[in-house]
Order: sequence, then C-alpha cells, then structure tokens
Amino acid sequence: QQQVKQSPQSLIVQKGGISIINCAYENTAFDYFPWYQQFPGKGPALLIAIRPDVSEKKEGRFTISFNKSAKQFSLHIMDSQPGDSATYFCAATEGAQKLVFGQGTRLTINP
Amino acid sequence: GAVVSQHPSRVICKSGTSVKIECRSLDFQATTMFWYRQFPKQSLMLMATSNEGSKATYEQGVEKDKFLINHASLTLSTLTVTSAHPEDSSFYICSARDGKTQYFGPGTRLLVL
Repeated sequence: QQQVKQSPQSLIVQKGGISIINCAYENTAFDYFPWYQQFPGKGPALLIAIRPDVSEKKEGRFTISFNKSAKQFSLHIMDSQPGDSATYFCAATEGAQKLVFGQGTRLTINP
Repeated sequence: GAVVSQHPSRVICKSGTSVKIECRSLDFQATTMFWYRQFPKQSLMLMATSNEGSKATYEQGVEKDKFLINHASLTLSTLTVTSAHPEDSSFYICSARDGKTQYFGPGTRLLVL
C-alpha cells in the first residue's frame, strides 16, 4: 500500500514533443506529490509538486495532472528539449513521513 | 529553492577504513534529514532518517553499526561508513526537509578498493 508505481521505465520523445510520465498510488492518506529530475551523477532536484486538493499545476513547460479518484498523477513536459533528457522520479508522502519514490523513468529527447 | 550541500563529492578509500560524509542545509534549518543510497539505474533507497538531537531511525536491513549517523545541529548531518568494504561502494545522497518538501544534496560517490 506504500508503493508508488511509475511508468514507463524509459521514454524516447522527439524534440518539441510532449513527454508524459505516469504514477499510481494506493495509500489515500498521501497528501503531497513531488516530481524530481535527476541528471547522471547528480542528486535529484525538485521539479514541481502538487497537493491532492488541486487537479492540475503548471510551472513553465512542466504540468502535473492529478486524478484523486483514480489515485493517479502524471507529469507532462511540453515542447520537450534535449536538455530535458534525465531520469524523472515521482514520489508521495503522508504528513511528515518519508518520501515513497516511484521506480524512475529515463527520458531521452532526440534532437 | 533551498540548497543542500554534500562533502566530499567523491571519495576513494581502502577496504577497512572509515569514511565520513557531511550534509548541510545552507539556507534553512532542517530538523529532519534523510540518507539514501542509489545503485546504478535504480531508484533511491532510504537508509535512515536523521533527527536533530536524537538517534537516527534506520530502515529495515540497514546496519546501524556500519552506517553511523549524527545530526548534531539543525544544518548538519553526517554519515560515517565504518570499516568500508567494496560492496559499500555506491552513490550516497542526503536530503533535508523544509516543511513538506525534501531538498537533495548533489551526492557522494564512494569507491572502496
């Protein structure tokens, strides 16, 4: 019940396209859902986060869509660029508890 | 966003020696810090939760006598890998919590020869 399932495991998108990464969870007590971006050899960097009382949050080219009833949330990267090539992790947490991470998605943007 | 630093960024040591990794929150105070280990092409594995002024909480399967954690101040937590062996070689990442958000350090690459 503490798992967060992330898909796809890897994704290749053409430059200018839309990248979509999906996550699903079971624990309805989760109340904070961040996305992290990680480049090789670096620590994860917070990209964008959402709370369950909001269905969508947009920051620049990055949008989180949240479906509370389906217990799913997704990251959309608009106008994907080669510099977006990285590994993306979704996560969830309840209250002040530890983060539960998805398995990660390796995104490659072809020029 | 908030900044978390780690030192060193890379360390090579001989088998049997101990290595200390520092994690600092630079522009905020963190009562809670976390230590993760990451294997190539895998997700982050939480090792322990470090609370300022109290003992760390270790995840199941993590040897507390091997991975010593100290959180002596609101901006500093340290992880000491004692009697390191080649199987301890990995990428170690810390994070510090500010409110509900965790900010991660840049990671420390440990190679034990």
